[in-house]
Amino acid sequence: GAGVSQTPSNKVTEKGKYVELRCDPISGHTALYWYRQSLGQGPEFLIYFQGTGAADDSGLPNDRFFAVRPEGSVSTLKIQRTERGDSAVYLCASSLGTSGGTDTQYFGPGTRLTVL
Amino acid sequence: AQTVTQSQPEMSVQEAETVTLSCTYDTSESNYYLFWYKQPPSRQMILVIRQEAYKQQNATENRFSVNFQKAAKSFSLKISDSQLGDTAMYFCAFSNTQGGSEKLVFGKGTKLTVNP
Repeated sequence: GAGVSQTPSNKVTEKGKYVELRCDPISGHTALYWYRQSLGQGPEFLIYFQGTGAADDSGLPNDRFFAVRPEGSVSTLKIQRTERGDSAVYLCASSLGTSGGTDTQYFGPGTRLTVL
Repeated sequence: AQTVTQSQPEMSVQEAETVTLSCTYDTSESNYYLFWYKQPPSRQMILVIRQEAYKQQNATENRFSVNFQKAAKSFSLKISDSQLGDTAMYFCAFSNTQGGSEKLVFGKGTKLTVNP
């Protein structure tokens, strides 16, 4: 079966522009996570979806960042007015989302965002 | 807040030898989960091994095993019979279900190089 996919794999944009990053989770996974990985660092949590709703968005750095998952499968991370500090690899992960325990999160290959 | 510390930025080992990667964490929770993820140059995070805090027995997966010391909040990874394909970044991660979010908190990683 297919794993988690992310598009584009690389995105170069100019400061101030708007970008959208897409994540296709594993089929049947109800939980979806976005993380941001800066150079030389471990991934940092951004937002967690259970189904269509954002169950935890405590990691979003500011209101320029927004994510949606309208049908409970594909998710889009949206960044407005990009800044050079937004340059990083954005990772998406999905899991079964069963209750009562921590399911293994399966990661996609990430999108490398470069803001010039 | 939970934190994860990996004190070894880089390590190297000869092929077929054994290496141990260190990880410590800080939490006030009693039930949680610990993970080791591998990230090769392809960027895709791959789960190596997981440990549930309430289980006293150390987890093992083929050549990979952990030394989980709950009182010391230590979770080290031992790789036996190292192979060239083990060359990668290794991240220690922590998760609990506090508040319903199963987000992962990662350390900064250890870069492991296996030399022929």
